[in-house]
Amino acid sequence: EAGVAQSPRYKIIEKRQSVAFWCNPISGHATLYWYQQILGQGPKLLIQFQNNGVVDDSQLPKDRFSAERLKGVDSTLKIQPAKLEDSAVYLCASVGGGISEAFFGQGTRLTVV
Amino acid sequence: DQQVKQNSPSLSVQEGRISILNCDYTNSMFDYFLWYKKYPAEGPTFLISISSIKDKNEDGRFTVFLNKSAKHLSLHIVPSQPGDSAVYFCAASSMYSGGGADGLTFGKGTHLIIQP
Repeated sequence: EAGVAQSPRYKIIEKRQSVAFWCNPISGHATLYWYQQILGQGPKLLIQFQNNGVVDDSQLPKDRFSAERLKGVDSTLKIQPAKLEDSAVYLCASVGGGISEAFFGQGTRLTVV
Repeated sequence: DQQVKQNSPSLSVQEGRISILNCDYTNSMFDYFLWYKKYPAEGPTFLISISSIKDKNEDGRFTVFLNKSAKHLSLHIVPSQPGDSAVYFCAASSMYSGGGADGLTFGKGTHLIIQP
């Protein structure tokens, strides 16, 4: 069974530029999450999708962050414009159903300079 | 306001001995708890979980204990092995009305170092 795929693995951009991350969850997993992990912290939930609908985006900074999962499969997370404090690892995770463990991708390490 | 707390940033244990990692939570709505292990440059990997209806779950060398009244859980690793050296995250979730699970709330992690 293939795991959660994310790309790119690393990205360096200047502040005020835009960036996009891509995630392909495990096949058949209806629930998809995006997390932000700042160095020295635990992952923080940004947004949760159930199929192609948003379940929770209460912690997403909507003035600069956006995410979509148009066909209920893969998802993109965008930051526009980026700030220095957005430097973090962005993790995508998926869950098959109900309450069970989430499977994480390797993450995208974003550095904003 | 941290809802899941891991108060030990690091823990050093000798190989073969028991490692005990602790976690406290404040949100009484949490009803499912998980431990994740993370190596550098990799995503977190699920290790073991426990539902709030249980007080213990065991999987090989790993056992998780839950004390609901104290809002405390712990992960025991026996015996500890060099490959166990990693950052361990405690995470919690709750069921929402639609029958699925909320996103996980994570602690800051504990860096476990197994010394030979």
